[in-house]
Parts: sequence; structure tokens; C-alpha cells
Amino acid sequence: GDSVTQMEGPVTLSEEAFLTINCTYTATGYPSLFWYVQYPGEGLQLLLKATKADDKGSNKGFEATYRKETTSFHLEKGSVQVSDSAVYFCALSDKGTSYDKVIFGPGTSLSVIP
Amino acid sequence: SQTIHQWPATLVQPVGSPLSLECTVEGTSNPNLYWYRQAAGRGLQLLFYSVGIGQISSEVPQNLSASRPQDRQFILSSKKLLLSDSGFYLCAWNRLAGNYEQYFGPGTRLTVT
Repeated sequence: GDSVTQMEGPVTLSEEAFLTINCTYTATGYPSLFWYVQYPGEGLQLLLKATKADDKGSNKGFEATYRKETTSFHLEKGSVQVSDSAVYFCALSDKGTSYDKVIFGPGTSLSVIP
Repeated sequence: SQTIHQWPATLVQPVGSPLSLECTVEGTSNPNLYWYRQAAGRGLQLLFYSVGIGQISSEVPQNLSASRPQDRQFILSSKKLLLSDSGFYLCAWNRLAGNYEQYFGPGTRLTVT
């Protein structure tokens, strides 16, 4: 079945460092891909998305490119801030399922220190 | 614009007590609705989903049940809580047509003592 794999961390970076969180997926169809962010004690927020191969999703300085050839959707940010400390979830949705099922990765905890 | 509400925000309940968590969505009609549980430091586990009033599907056998009495209302219940029911419960919705991204509520932190 469909699945999402991502580095679990925790990842600790200094402020202004470059961030990469790897995400790879397995899907039988042509899924849409998402990154969600969860700040402490809150629900998940959609950070960015990409719906087809080579699409680049971007938001708040974060970017991810849908790479069908490597089945990847790595999250990047050029300069992280303390306020970026959160848990990041990679996810996919497969349009072939009978309902709008979204499959989430295990989440990657990011801590940014001043 | 659409908003999703969950209550209560936090709950502490003794083992064996009943549970009722409520989720409501505003600003849309006929949404798909979902209940997830997130254990401490873990990922999301889909518990139930609903594509319409009275239509509930369970992903994992649990000590829990769900109901959808109205189009935009989704309720998570238990007759007798277990210690293992502790966790962060998230409700989510999405549109029937679109890119399938889900929108999450603020969550309910449940501690069973």
C-alpha cells in the first residue's frame, strides 16, 4: 500500500542554518504531496503542497519539489528561525482511493536554537 | 472562510469513565470528516472517517466509536476509557473534490488517569 517515509529526528539547528528534511513515498497512482507543520500543543497546519511531478510548493520560506523519478518531496529552508521549531509531517493523498485518505509520515521534530 | 472547532481543549478523565469529544466545521457543506489520535511523540493514527451523515468507517478497532448526527458535526465517544486512550485527538475535514489536503482543528488533549 501507499506509504510515506521521513527522517524522524529530532533535528537541532542553529538559527540561520539551512534545513533539509527528507521525505520519500510509495504510491501506486499519482498522489498529491503535502508538508504539514505542528507547533507545540496545536493541530496541524498545511505548510505547502504539490499536485504533480516537478511542481514546487512554497510558503513562509519553505520549499519542496515533487520528484517523481526519485519519489521524493524533501522540505528545505535556506535560513531557519527559532519560530520554525515544530514537528513537520510529510503526507500524500492518493486520488484512486474510495475516500480522501491522506497518509502521513511519522513526523520530524525540529528545534532551532538561537 | 472555513473553520473547524474542537472541544474541549483539554480533558482529564478517570479510567472507566465515558468520553465525548465534539468537532464542528463552519463555512462548508458535506465535508469528509476525520478523527485522528496522536500519542506522545508519535505520528498520526487515523481512527474514523465519515463521508456523510450517519456514515462512519473505522480504520482501527478501538475502545472508541464515532457518530455524525449532522452534516458538519463529528463526535468521538467511548463508554469506558482505558489508560491507553490518552493522547492528542485531532479532527480534520476536506472537500470532496480538490487536491485532497486536510484541514485540522486545534485538538483535544485527553489524559486518562
